[in-house]
Amino acid sequence: DAGVIQSPRHEVTEMGQEVTLRCKPISGHNSLFWYRQTMMRGLELLIYFNNNVPIDDSGMPEDRFSAKMPNASFSTLKIQPSEPRDSAVYFCASSPRGAGSHQETQYFGPGTRLLVL
Amino acid sequence: DQQVKQNSPSLSVQEGRISILNCDYTNSMFDYFLWYKKYPAEGPTFLISISSIKDKNEDGRFTVFLNKSAKHLSLHIVPSQPGDSAVYFCAAVDYGGSQGNLIFGKGTKLSVKP
Repeated sequence: DAGVIQSPRHEVTEMGQEVTLRCKPISGHNSLFWYRQTMMRGLELLIYFNNNVPIDDSGMPEDRFSAKMPNASFSTLKIQPSEPRDSAVYFCASSPRGAGSHQETQYFGPGTRLLVL
Repeated sequence: DQQVKQNSPSLSVQEGRISILNCDYTNSMFDYFLWYKKYPAEGPTFLISISSIKDKNEDGRFTVFLNKSAKHLSLHIVPSQPGDSAVYFCAAVDYGGSQGNLIFGKGTKLSVKP
């Protein structure tokens, strides 16, 4: 099993540019999560999907952030336009649980380190 | 306001000694807790968990203790090894509106010195 795959691993961009982060969850997992890690706020949940449907996006900071999961094996997190304060490490995680199950363990990808200049 | 708090940002321990990492939570409805370990440039990996029906769970060198009345849990690593040097995150499961998502503390960086 390859684990959760994220790309790119590193991204440097200029303020105002569009950034797209990609995630491939573990095959067979029903839930997918996007997190942001910063020194000030630690690990924050941005949005999570269950069976490809967005369930809770209350952690998405602004309308500049959007996430999609067109199928069970792919998700994107887009920032448009990007700002320097978006600089952080963005993690994708997946979990085998379906709605109502108690399998809470989440498996994290290696993260994308984003720097917005 | 943080619902899961790890008040020690860092901890340094000698190899072979015990490492104790602490975590406090504010929501008495939390009833399942997990510890994750994170190495630099990698994602967090699951380490050990505990349900609120227990007060202790042990897995090899790692033991998690839960004190529900104090809303406190701790992770003990005995004996500590240099390879244990990492950031440790405590997480609680929120079974509220978000259908059981994890709320993480900010982490404690453990350094185990040879």
